[in-house]
Amino acid sequence: AQSVTQLDSQVPVFEEAPVELRCNYSSSVSVYLFWYVQYPNQGLQLLLKYLSGSTLVKGINGFEAEFNKSQTSFHLRKPSVHISDTAEYFCAVSEKGNTPLVFGKGTRLSVIA
Amino acid sequence: DAEITQSPRHKITETGRQVTLACHQTWNHNNMFWYRQDLGHGLRLIHYSYGVHDTNKGEVSDGYSVSRSNTEDLPLTLESAASSQTSVYFCASSEGLAGVRDTQYFGPGTRLTVL
Repeated sequence: AQSVTQLDSQVPVFEEAPVELRCNYSSSVSVYLFWYVQYPNQGLQLLLKYLSGSTLVKGINGFEAEFNKSQTSFHLRKPSVHISDTAEYFCAVSEKGNTPLVFGKGTRLSVIA
Repeated sequence: DAEITQSPRHKITETGRQVTLACHQTWNHNNMFWYRQDLGHGLRLIHYSYGVHDTNKGEVSDGYSVSRSNTEDLPLTLESAASSQTSVYFCASSEGLAGVRDTQYFGPGTRLTVL
């Protein structure tokens, strides 16, 4: 069965600095990969997803992620963060087929002015 | 605009009571999901449905049940509430035509406290 590890529970970063949120997954088969964001007191919304093809995926709000099959990773990056990016970010994986998503425990990104 | 709603948004109940949380979506999506969110655990899947009359157990299904009698609704019932079920509950839906590749759309959540 698939599993997801988000390596950092909290990431503080100064405004306009770059950020990387790390995600590793475990699966014995091909997978789909997702990043969701949760702003305070809201539900989750999709940032981006990798289904197939190019390993560099671009999402909303200037975020991108790179799928690395050999490293079993799907790290999320943004070259310059804003205060409004303060939120919790969840990595999720689903094995190809019909297995439902498995979410990581989340990374809380705090952007400091 | 299509949306997914949850009610109530906040609920306080007592141990042993039966509680039902409502989830209603107007996307006409085939798939619906219930998650709970707890500090240190992220989101964990409780139950899910891939269509009317279809229900499946997730990772943490003990003490919960669902039924799907129409496309729009997937109510979550706690048969006998326990303090360990104090949590924030999220409902989500996805179109389902492309299976698990589809984006999930989340409701605003229900904060449940069991005293």
